Amino acid sequence: DAGVIQSPRHEVTEMGQEVTLRCKPISGHNSLFWYRQTMMRGLELLIYFNNNVPIDDSGMPEDRFSAKMPNASFSTLKIQPSEPRDSAVYFCASSDQRTAQETQYFGPGTRLLVL
Amino acid sequence: QKEVEQNSGPLSVPEGAIASLNCTYSDRGSQSFFWYRQYSGKSPELIMFIYSNGDKEDGRFTAQLNKASQYVSLLIRDSQPSDSATYLCAVNGAGGTSYGKLTFGQGTILTVHP
Repeated sequence: DAGVIQSPRHEVTEMGQEVTLRCKPISGHNSLFWYRQTMMRGLELLIYFNNNVPIDDSGMPEDRFSAKMPNASFSTLKIQPSEPRDSAVYFCASSDQRTAQETQYFGPGTRLLVL
Repeated sequence: QKEVEQNSGPLSVPEGAIASLNCTYSDRGSQSFFWYRQYSGKSPELIMFIYSNGDKEDGRFTAQLNKASQYVSLLIRDSQPSDSATYLCAVNGAGGTSYGKLTFGQGTILTVHP
């Protein structure tokens, strides 16, 4: 079974450009999480969806960030306009909240560098 | 006070020794506790989860949970150089919109030297 798939794996862009990160969760999982990881702040939850519905977006830094989950097998995280301080590794994770075990499985991440 | 705190590292142990990683959490209602391992440049991967007070063993790994003290630890016996990584403690939210949401500690860097 394929794990969580993220694309692109690496992204280099210039300040002010729009960036779109993509995620395909594990088939059958009904919860999806977007995280950002930096050396200074560690692993931070940005937003999470349950059954394609955003449940908690309190971690989204500001209006420049938006996330969608149009169906159970796809989600996007968009940054518009991007800024150098957005440079980080962005992880997507999924879990099956219907089971007693809420283990989250992480994708390989997208390394974003905003110049 | 941070929601999830891990003992400051880095932690360096000799090969074959026991590595002890500690974590405290602030939400007394939390029910699920996870240890993830993250190699440099890679994504976090689950090592163990624990729900009940006491010890849970899986091979060389033992997770210990004490809900009264709001403390969870991970022991790695017979440490190997391949165990060198950052270890992340994660705690599940207590309920409401926090249910299913993991809060991660800052991580402890472990180095096992030959």
